[in-house]
Amino acid sequence: AQTVTQSQPEMSVQEAETVTLSCTYDTSESDYYLFWYKQPPSRQMILVIRQEAYKQQNATENRFSVNFQKAAKSFSLKISDSQLGDAAMYFCAYRSAYNNNDMRFGAGTRLTVKP
Amino acid sequence: DAGVIQSPRHEVTEMGQEVTLRCKPISGHDYLFWYRQTMMRGLELLIYFNNNVPIDDSGMPEDRFSAKMPNASFSTLKIQPSEPRDSAVYFCASSYRGMELFFGEGSRLTVL
Repeated sequence: AQTVTQSQPEMSVQEAETVTLSCTYDTSESDYYLFWYKQPPSRQMILVIRQEAYKQQNATENRFSVNFQKAAKSFSLKISDSQLGDAAMYFCAYRSAYNNNDMRFGAGTRLTVKP
Repeated sequence: DAGVIQSPRHEVTEMGQEVTLRCKPISGHDYLFWYRQTMMRGLELLIYFNNNVPIDDSGMPEDRFSAKMPNASFSTLKIQPSEPRDSAVYFCASSYRGMELFFGEGSRLTVL
């Protein structure tokens, strides 16, 4: 079974600095999707970024980018120019391309942004 | 467009009472998911529907839990009778063709 591991329960970053959140996953499948979700104190899970495994190019969304290393099964999230509003729980998620509804979430990383 | 809408946002009830959580998915989405989030177990998939039909309910913890989707725009998750260990945040999410999930704001359930 696929598992998603986030080894950093908590991280902190100074406002305007850059931070990288780690995520590794275990799978025997060749085609899949990876996601980062943000959960602010308001509780709603918000999609931050998505990466298709068949794409070599790393996904980017404004200040958010990923470092996708397929061979290493690593999918880290880089947040540049951190803002106070980035403070939240961040969840890495894996979804199989063969079973659309088998989405696995990591345990989450709590990001604190210091002013 | 409106996102996934859940109600109630907060529910406090006593053990043994029936609890009904409601969800309105995003219009046009064909998949609907119910998740439960706790500190101990993280996010757990309880059940999901495709075109209003329950596909996999293997995550439903016990017979006390049931879910329905009578039409494309409405789903309920019911717990009867409720127990303190059911206290959690329950999320509804929808997706189109199984792509990324769009979540509601969650319903925080506290069972005393």
